[in-house]
Amino acid sequence: DMQMTQSPSSLSASVGDRVTITCRASQSISNYLNWYQQKPGKAPKLLIYLASGLQSGVPSRFSGSGSGTDFTLTISSLQPEDLATYYCQQSYSTPSFGGGTKVAIK
Amino acid sequence: EVQLVESGGGLVQPGGSLRLSCAASGFTFSSYWMNWVRQAPGKGLEWVANIKQDGREKYYVDSVKGRFTISRDNAKNSLYLQMNILRAEDTAVYYCARGNYDGSGFVFDYWGQGTLVTVSS
Repeated sequence: DMQMTQSPSSLSASVGDRVTITCRASQSISNYLNWYQQKPGKAPKLLIYLASGLQSGVPSRFSGSGSGTDFTLTISSLQPEDLATYYCQQSYSTPSFGGGTKVAIK
Repeated sequence: EVQLVESGGGLVQPGGSLRLSCAASGFTFSSYWMNWVRQAPGKGLEWVANIKQDGREKYYVDSVKGRFTISRDNAKNSLYLQMNILRAEDTAVYYCARGNYDGSGFVFDYWGQGTLVTVSS
């Protein structure tokens, strides 16, 4: 089974900070990596598809990069509404998710 | 506007059955793979099953194979999940999600609000 490992599991940053979350796959998945945002009590929302595609309606401060086994989600300037848990997910094979990164605002 | 609305969740005893439904609107339902994804209380996300546009291909996570059945009715714009022999570990919020962007349907671009299934005696 494909294992997805996210780091860190949680972080706290100030408004305006640049935030980076990493995701590592247990084997190469090319660019089949997606990122989701889940706000408390809400359904997940797709942010980035296939490693770097920005989903329609998602602010441009969100970006994704990487290929093979190592991927990154970057929030260029953290906003208060970005308080959420972020999940990576591979779509190369039977889908699996990372454990999540909880982002808090200082 | 794409909308996915789940229903059918509730409290069920171990070994019991439940049928979830997802009503879709705002897009051509018959053109998309559809998925079920679940989230146990306080835990992460787990993909459960998906079904191809014409219903002829279905895939499941190992832990539900032989117990859950995914189906769809394109005439009614509806997705279903029949859950049998339920276990305590099936307790979760179940989300309906549309598959897009690649041929496998494994990129989930729209999600419903979820329906809670609790398996307990």
